[in-house]
Formats: sequence, structure tokens, C-alpha cells
Amino acid sequence: AQSVTQLDSQVPVFEEAPVELRCNYSSSVSVYLFWYVQYPNQGLQLLLKYLSGSTLVKGINGFEAEFNKSQTSFHLRKPSVHISDTAEYFCAVSDLVNNTGKLIFGQGTTLQVKP
Amino acid sequence: ETGVTQSPTHLIKTRGQQVTLRCSSQSGHNTVSWYQQALGQGPQFIFQYYREEENGRGNFPPRFSGLQFPNYSSELNVNALELDDSALYLCASSPGRGNYGYTFGSGTRLTVV
Repeated sequence: AQSVTQLDSQVPVFEEAPVELRCNYSSSVSVYLFWYVQYPNQGLQLLLKYLSGSTLVKGINGFEAEFNKSQTSFHLRKPSVHISDTAEYFCAVSDLVNNTGKLIFGQGTTLQVKP
Repeated sequence: ETGVTQSPTHLIKTRGQQVTLRCSSQSGHNTVSWYQQALGQGPQFIFQYYREEENGRGNFPPRFSGLQFPNYSSELNVNALELDDSALYLCASSPGRGNYGYTFGSGTRLTVV
């Protein structure tokens, strides 16, 4: 069964510093990959997605991610974070084998941006 | 273009009771998925409905059931509530089966006491 591992449960960083949130998935088949952000008491907002094509994906709010098939990773990066980026971030992978439309989520990474 | 709306936003139920959560999909979307997000966890897939039929189901017992209506809105029903059912329930709609362009609602926070 597919799984997603977010390697850091919490990432503290100072404002204007760069950040990387790490995500690995377990799958030997083609997948779609996603990063979502969740602000307190809200639903999920899509940051970016990889479906095919260029392995460097740019998303909203200055975030980008790189798909690495050989390492089965999809790490999220931002060159300079803001206080407003403080939130929970989820990496997710599609279930294309069964085509149920199911997304498999990681446990989440809390990004805490300090002034 | 309206997004996904869920109701109610918060709910408190007693163990053993039944609950119905509602979701209105985004305009133009015919597929609805439901997720359960326990505190401090990632969302877990419950099931998906496409054109009023269940398209896929996660590892949830039969007391979790759903419906999708002709206007593509959806309900999640949970019978015989247990304390572990306390969670944020998220609804997501997409333009079609196999299309992963999901729009998520803000969720319903269910507390079982």
C-alpha cells in the first residue's frame, strides 16, 4: 500500500530565512503529488501539484517543489518565509492504481515562522 | 464561482447517537470525497461519490455511509458514534472521477462525548 512520510513533524524557522519541508512516498508506479496548507480551524488549500512534465513545480505564495523519482521524494521549498506562512503543511499522493480518487496524506509538518 | 461549503461547522454528539454532515460541491464539480482528520493527523480517505454512486472507499466500517444527490451535493452519515469518531470531517469536490483537482471545504468539527 502506498504511504507518505513527512520527515519533520515541526520546522521552526526565522522570518525571511529559507525553508524546506521534506516528503517521501512509497510507490513503484506513476503518481500525482500534492502539497496542501492548512491554517488553524480551516480546510486544506492546494499549494502546488505534480502531474507530469517538468520536475520543478511552482505554486502559490512563492512555494516550489521538486519531484525526484529515483529518491521518491517531493520536497517543498520557499526561499524566504513570512510570519503568515505559519501553518500545517501536508504532502499527499494519488491512488492511481485503483483510480478511486483517493489522496493519501502524510502526517503533516508544522511550520513555525518566528520574527 | 462558489467553493465547497459544509454544514454544520461544529457539532457535539453523544456516544451511540447518529450524525449527518452535509456538503455542497463547487459549481461544475460532479465528484465528492470525504476525509476524516483526527487531531494532529493527516486526513484519511473515507469514500468518494461520482454521479451518485460510491466510487471508492477507505478503511472505515459500514457505519460510515454516504449519499450524493442529483445536484452533486453530498451527505456523510455516521451511526453508533464512538469517542474516536471525534475529528474534523472534510469534504472535497472535483470536476470528475480520477481528476485530482480537489477543492476542500472548511470542514465540520465533530465532538463525541
